[in-house]
Amino acid sequence: EVKLVESGGRLVQPGGSLRLSCAASGFAFKTFEMNWIRQPPGKGFEWISYISATGETIHYADSVRGRFTIARDNVQNSLSLEMNSLTDDDTAFYFCARFDYGGRRLSSWGHGTLVTVSA
Amino acid sequence: EKVMTQSPDTLSVSPGERVTLSCRASQSVGTNLAWYQQKPGQAPRLLIYAASVRATGIPDRFSGSGSGTEFTLTISGLQSEDLALYHCHQYNTWPPRENPFGQGTKLDIK
Repeated sequence: EVKLVESGGRLVQPGGSLRLSCAASGFAFKTFEMNWIRQPPGKGFEWISYISATGETIHYADSVRGRFTIARDNVQNSLSLEMNSLTDDDTAFYFCARFDYGGRRLSSWGHGTLVTVSA
Repeated sequence: EKVMTQSPDTLSVSPGERVTLSCRASQSVGTNLAWYQQKPGQAPRLLIYAASVRATGIPDRFSGSGSGTEFTLTISGLQSEDLALYHCHQYNTWPPRENPFGQGTKLDIK
């Protein structure tokens, strides 16, 4: 069974930093492209970052570029998101999600972890 | 820029109904469109990809159609377990310059 489990979300002050993790199991993690998607409470999804299977190619949404850093560990089967200079607009549930082979639809998702940015 | 717009924002429905959700792209995305279902406390689930292909394990009451800029997700014979939030997602442009998701449509009980 494919499992993606996010962790690390918590309350953080504006300007603060946070590191999210996503533990993967049940599939060959090192062969799949991965993403982070977020969802502000009561709103829709926003794609924010992508990393290729090898980690060589990375993309970010404009809203997080320069502040967030995606990384992966193909030995530990984990994905991470380092978040800096956090603002109220970064308050959201953060999901890790896997692309399908051969197509950029998001075939598996985690349950999400909540990041709240507030003074 | 490809902006995805879903309609309606909320739809009140009754079990057994045939339900149609719409997703419009500001520019053509071909058939590179997916639909996801999201229930409270659960991981989102891929329902439809390539506009009309059901993902593994998805009941055949869910169907997708459309191409270019207009897409539809239809639920034939709505069941109470289908009350959820539904999102469309274009993956024609990579990496996306705009958010590739629609804002979502919520199905609730009439």
